[in-house]
Amino acid sequence: GAVVSQHPSRVICKSGTSVKIECRSLDFQATTMFWYRQFPKQSLMLMATSNEGSKATYEQGVEKDKFLINHASLTLSTLTVTSAHPEDSSFYICSARYPGRSPYEQYFGPGTRLTVT
Amino acid sequence: AQSVTQLDSHVSVSEGTPVLLRCNYSSSYSPSLFWYVQHPNKGLQLLLKYTSAATLVKGINGFEAEFKKSETSFHLTKPSAHMSDAAEYFCVVTALNAGNMLTFGGGTRLMVKP
Repeated sequence: GAVVSQHPSRVICKSGTSVKIECRSLDFQATTMFWYRQFPKQSLMLMATSNEGSKATYEQGVEKDKFLINHASLTLSTLTVTSAHPEDSSFYICSARYPGRSPYEQYFGPGTRLTVT
Repeated sequence: AQSVTQLDSHVSVSEGTPVLLRCNYSSSYSPSLFWYVQHPNKGLQLLLKYTSAATLVKGINGFEAEFKKSETSFHLTKPSAHMSDAAEYFCVVTALNAGNMLTFGGGTRLMVKP
C-alpha cells in the first residue's frame, strides 16, 4: 500500500502558458501532501505543503501566485504552474503522508519532468 | 534548525566491492533519519529509517546504516555493490521541532563499474 502517482510524467509547454500537474494517493486518503522541486543534479527543495480543504503553506521564496496548489479531495492535489517560463523547467515531485502512520513518513510520487520552451 | 551534509557528491565503486555513502546531520532535537534512493527520472524510494530504536538499521536491497550520535553521522553501507545500485542517494533528517518536515542532503551519485 501507500502508492502515490503523478500525471503527467513529462510535459512540454510553451513560455507563457500554464500547466497542471496532478498528484494522487491511490490506496489511501492523504490529508497532507507536499510538493518538491528538483533541479538537475541537485537535491529536493520543498515548495509547499498542501492540506485538504485549506490553503497551501508555501516555503519562503516560492511564489504562491505562480505555483497554484489545490487539494480539493483526500486523494488529489494539483500544482499549476502559471505563465510558465524556461526557468520553471524542473522535476516536480509530490509526496503524501499516510494517516495513522508516523507524521514524518512520506510516500513519494514518480515525479513530473516539466520543460518550458 | 536542522541540516544534512552528504560528504561526497559522487562515489564510484566496482561491482562486488563495499559501498560507503557518508552523511552528517545537525538537529537541535532528537532526529529521525532516512536514506532514499532515486533512479533516473524516478521518484524516491525509502531504503531505511532510524527513529530512535536500534542504532544499526537494516534496509532493503542489503543496505544498512548506523546512527552515531557522538559523531552526528548516519552513513549508508552495503557489503557488495551490484550494478543495479547505481543511482542517486539522499540522506534526510526530520524532527518533532521541525514539524516533521523533511530536510534533504545534497545527494550522492553512486556509480558502479563492472
